[in-house]
Amino acid sequence: SAVISQKPSRDICQRGTSLTIQCQVDSQVTMMFWYRQQPGQSLTLIATANQGSEATYESGFVIDKFPISRPNLTFSTLTVSNMSPEDSSIYLCSVLGQGREQYFGPGTRLTVT
Amino acid sequence: AQSVSQHNHHVILSEAASLELGCNYSYGGTVNLFWYVQYPGQHLQLLLKYFSGDPLVKGIKGFEAEFIKSKFSFNLRKPSVQWSDTAEYFCAVNALQSSYKLIFGSGTRLLVRP
Repeated sequence: SAVISQKPSRDICQRGTSLTIQCQVDSQVTMMFWYRQQPGQSLTLIATANQGSEATYESGFVIDKFPISRPNLTFSTLTVSNMSPEDSSIYLCSVLGQGREQYFGPGTRLTVT
Repeated sequence: AQSVSQHNHHVILSEAASLELGCNYSYGGTVNLFWYVQYPGQHLQLLLKYFSGDPLVKGIKGFEAEFIKSKFSFNLRKPSVQWSDTAEYFCAVNALQSSYKLIFGSGTRLLVRP
């Protein structure tokens, strides 16, 4: 399985600001995904990021709020824009494995005050 | 809408006890099924997966899961748990027609007492 790293591992931000989370993979992968895990809840897919095309967002998530970049096959970023306390969550990136399984990064714990 | 239910939110067992964690999903078509585990302080790891074939699948660390299509279930089992199995366990489903999206259950926190 791929080795996935995320930066930052955690951050505390003020409302109204934006934070960009980076996801780096040690091998080339076709598909990357961004998930959110709100406190006490399960993981929810935000969007799918393919290299060379626009990200595909799930219902309830919009590009203006969560812009995503995928400049190459080993890297992606997720920006959480104009943050509010409701955005306090763990944000995880994942990559598609050889089959249809996904492998996850360590996550970024975001607290918005 | 597709959903995944994990019946037990918290489970406490003594070492050597048997474990069964329930997982049910609501989707009538073809699915891929997964169990993930998150040990304290670590990231989410794939425990086992079912794509097709033998409905009894074996994963890492002595875990297994059985896919029962008629019951829309994919329960996780281990005959004898260890203290090191203390973790949170997530069931996830990929409905093939919805691309690669994983739908997760709410998770089960397992505490194994030595």
